[in-house]
Order: sequence, then structure tokens, then C-alpha cells
Amino acid sequence: DSGVTQTPKHLITATGQRVTLRCSPRSGDLSVYWYQQSLDQGLQFLIQYYNGEERAKGNILERFSAQQFPDLHSELNLSSLELGDSALYFCASSATGIYNEQFFGPGTRLTVL
Amino acid sequence: GQQVMQIPQYQHVQEGEDFTTYCNSSTTLSNIQWYKQRPGGHPVFLIQLVKSGEVKKQKRLTFQFGEAKKNSSLHITATQTTDVGTYFCAGRDYGGSQGNLIFGKGTKLSVKP
Repeated sequence: DSGVTQTPKHLITATGQRVTLRCSPRSGDLSVYWYQQSLDQGLQFLIQYYNGEERAKGNILERFSAQQFPDLHSELNLSSLELGDSALYFCASSATGIYNEQFFGPGTRLTVL
Repeated sequence: GQQVMQIPQYQHVQEGEDFTTYCNSSTTLSNIQWYKQRPGGHPVFLIQLVKSGEVKKQKRLTFQFGEAKKNSSLHITATQTTDVGTYFCAGRDYGGSQGNLIFGKGTKLSVKP
């Protein structure tokens, strides 16, 4: 158990819909990262938040947005969903500093029908 | 932008054989991390390399960081069925933001008993 929790575990929805994925980081970790993992693909970095502020942005689509709340939990919002958005979405957290490892949550599997 | 290439994409070995995965970056890295993802699981941190030419060992696993800090390798001696999974390298370049690790696409290892 990494200490990072993600809900829901599975999500099935239809094209055009909007969903929200939730992540709670490890206790004390200020940084939260979101990744997308499609079938046979690596981990695509989407976005990072640090203590409530956006810190870095990767290949995140404009239809996707995220935020980190004062209690440090984070939410990833995916809207106007397309079939190609079906993937595993991981949240990770880390302590402050570039030499810290990332602890991944169990992931949310999103299926868009 | 920074790219991290990892080869091979797949490797099938007989139990007891050795296995190596290679990671190459288009830019000089400040550090590189290795993660393992078991089937159906989430990535788990294995190790971090920071110094040029650094070699670290974890039992049957040997990790190397190239002299130019642009490449790395993971070697497993005498593979076991418990080694099955996908191995990812993740690098952060000197110009990158604090949290932006770039992951390779991973090497999926299968071990035949």
C-alpha cells in the first residue's frame, strides 16, 4: 500500500460525458501528479500540483483540468469524453524536492463507450 | 522537448536467463528513477541514480547511469517468475521543472518457468 488513494477504481461512461477522478496523497506529501496510461503505452504525464498551485503541465488536453484543494487532495476533471480517453489514470504524490520518489495510487480505470 | 526512449518494448525469457532494459534520453538528466509495474498493479519505485557513472545493486538487479548522464540500464541476473512486470525508467532533465519526470514507454518482461 503506497498510502495514495484514488477513487473510483472503475468508471464506465459514455462519449460526451464529464467525469471527476479523485486522489488523496500520502500524508505530508505536497506534490500531486496525474498520469494517463493507455494500453501498451507508457505513463503520460498530465499535470503536477504543489501545495495547491499548478507546478508543471505535460500533455494534458484542454478538455482535461485538475485542481488541488487546501487539504491537498486533488481532482482530475475530464470532459467531452471521447473513446480514446479510455485509459488508466494514475495519481502519484511525492515529498518536496526533485530527488524524491513518486508514490503511485492504485489508479482509476476509465472506460468510455 | 525531452524524450526518454526505452528498449526493448517486450522481452520474453526463460526462467534463469538474464534480462536487460536500456533507457536513453535526448537531453542530459539530473537524475533517473526506475519503477516496476506488476500486471494489474501500479508503478512502484525501485531506485534512483544521480551521479555520472553510478552503479547500484539490489540483490539480482543492477542499475547503471551513463557517464554522460543520458542513458541508463537495468540488468536482472537469473530471472525469476516474480520479476514479471513492466519496468519503466523516468528521467528529469536539468531544465525541467521540479516535478516533471519523463517516463519511458517501459519494457514488459515475461518469464517462462
